[in-house]
Amino acid sequence: GAVVSQHPSRVICKSGTSVKIECRSLDFQATTMFWYRQFPKQSLMLMATSNEGSKATYEQGVEKDKFLINHASLTLSTLTVTSAHPEDSSFYICSARDLRHQYEQYFGPGTRLTVT
Amino acid sequence: AQTVTQSQPEMSVQEAETVTLSCTYDTSENNYYLFWYKQPPSRQMILVIRQEAYKQQNATENRFSVNFQKAAKSFSLKISDSQLGDTAMYFCAFMWDNDKIIFGKGTRLHILP
Repeated sequence: GAVVSQHPSRVICKSGTSVKIECRSLDFQATTMFWYRQFPKQSLMLMATSNEGSKATYEQGVEKDKFLINHASLTLSTLTVTSAHPEDSSFYICSARDLRHQYEQYFGPGTRLTVT
Repeated sequence: AQTVTQSQPEMSVQEAETVTLSCTYDTSENNYYLFWYKQPPSRQMILVIRQEAYKQQNATENRFSVNFQKAAKSFSLKISDSQLGDTAMYFCAFMWDNDKIIFGKGTRLHILP
């Protein structure tokens, strides 16, 4: 089956620093990747849609200058949380749409970010 | 705007029993997909079942089946012979036009030994 990886799985950073999270589709090509944020015991909230070779589309209320998304290839998208604050602490999940099966999205295992 | 509503925040059933999770959605689209995802304590999202709106036949995957009522915009998940490993958060989700997925708030399901 299709596999999506995320790296790192856990990261702790200090306030004011930036942290990068990678999302990779391991055995398929993904023109579109999605980034979600999930607070404890809550649902997934879509942050942005990332398309290979073009600018990401951000959902309303998501600061594009704070959450930088780059989709440089058909298998890699990155989310950079800039000038991190404790309120950015959360679980971040990416998903990738298989080019061959447009209705399928495969989810990564998530990254737990803690900002101290 | 598309919305997905799960009215049961939490449910508990005994092992081997059958349980039904409810989901309703609102859309003006005619062609779309509906999903049930499972999120166990590991937090890895796992696709349980998928239903294409143009198909009248209800999707089934082993012990998991759905009751898709398009006119009523209802999409419930039935888990038969529930197992301890079914304990998880279950999200109903909606996708249209090969676009983004909208998730419901989830139902936390506990399977009791």
